[in-house]
Amino acid sequence: QSVLTQPPSASGTPGQRVTISCSGSSSNIGSNYVYWYQQLPGTAPKLLIYRNNQRPSGVPDRFSGSKSGTSASLAISGLRSEDEADYYCASWDDSLSAWVFGGGTKLTVL
Amino acid sequence: QITLKESGPTLVKPTQTLTLTCTFSGFSLSTSGVGVGWIRQPPGKALEWLALIYWDDDKRYSPSLKSRLTITKDTSKNQVVLTMTNMDPVDTATYSCVHWANTYGYYYWGQGTLVTVSS
Repeated sequence: QSVLTQPPSASGTPGQRVTISCSGSSSNIGSNYVYWYQQLPGTAPKLLIYRNNQRPSGVPDRFSGSKSGTSASLAISGLRSEDEADYYCASWDDSLSAWVFGGGTKLTVL
Repeated sequence: QITLKESGPTLVKPTQTLTLTCTFSGFSLSTSGVGVGWIRQPPGKALEWLALIYWDDDKRYSPSLKSRLTITKDTSKNQVVLTMTNMDPVDTATYSCVHWANTYGYYYWGQGTLVTVSS
C-alpha cells in the first residue's frame, strides 16, 4: 500500500486532456513539493514535473502540474500515442523522514 | 553530462547480503545540495524508494527497510554503495541509483540492474 494514492489507470483519446491525481497527507504533499515521473515500457523513469509545477528543460508544455492542500494533479493536454506510459507522483514525507511514491497510474491512449 | 551506472550481482540466494555499487560521472558528491539515492521496482510493480545519501554524508532510509540497509559514499571514486542484508525473494527487483538535487529532486537515473533472489 503506497503512502501516496493514485488511480491505477487512466485513458483518453488523441488530442484530449487527461488528469492524473495524487492524494497524500499533511506530512507529505501538504507540506512538501510534488514530483511527477513518466515511465515508458522498459525504460527508466523520466522527471516530468518538479516542485509542484516546474518543467525540466525539454519537457513539452503539454504536461503541467498543480497542487492544492494534500492533493496534486498531473495534466496532459493534446494527448498523443507516445504519452502511453506509467506515471508516478512522489514527495518527501516529514513524519517518515523518507521519500514516498504513489502506486503509479497506467495511461492508455485509446 | 551526468551519468550513473549500477553494478553488482544479478542473482543472490535467500538470506544473503546484496551489495550494489553506483558509479557516477558529471558531478561531485561533495557539492552542496547534491545526493545519490536508490530506488527499486519489482517486476510489474511500483517504484519504491530505498535510501539517499547527501553531500554532507547525512543519510535517510526507508522506514520499512532501515534495519537491512546501509548506504555509503566514496567521493574520491565517485561511487555510492548500497548493502541490503537478509535478502528474500520478495526483494527481486530492478535497483536503480539516481542523482538527487534539492532544486529538482531525482532527475538523472541509472539504467537499473535486475536482481533476482532465488535459491
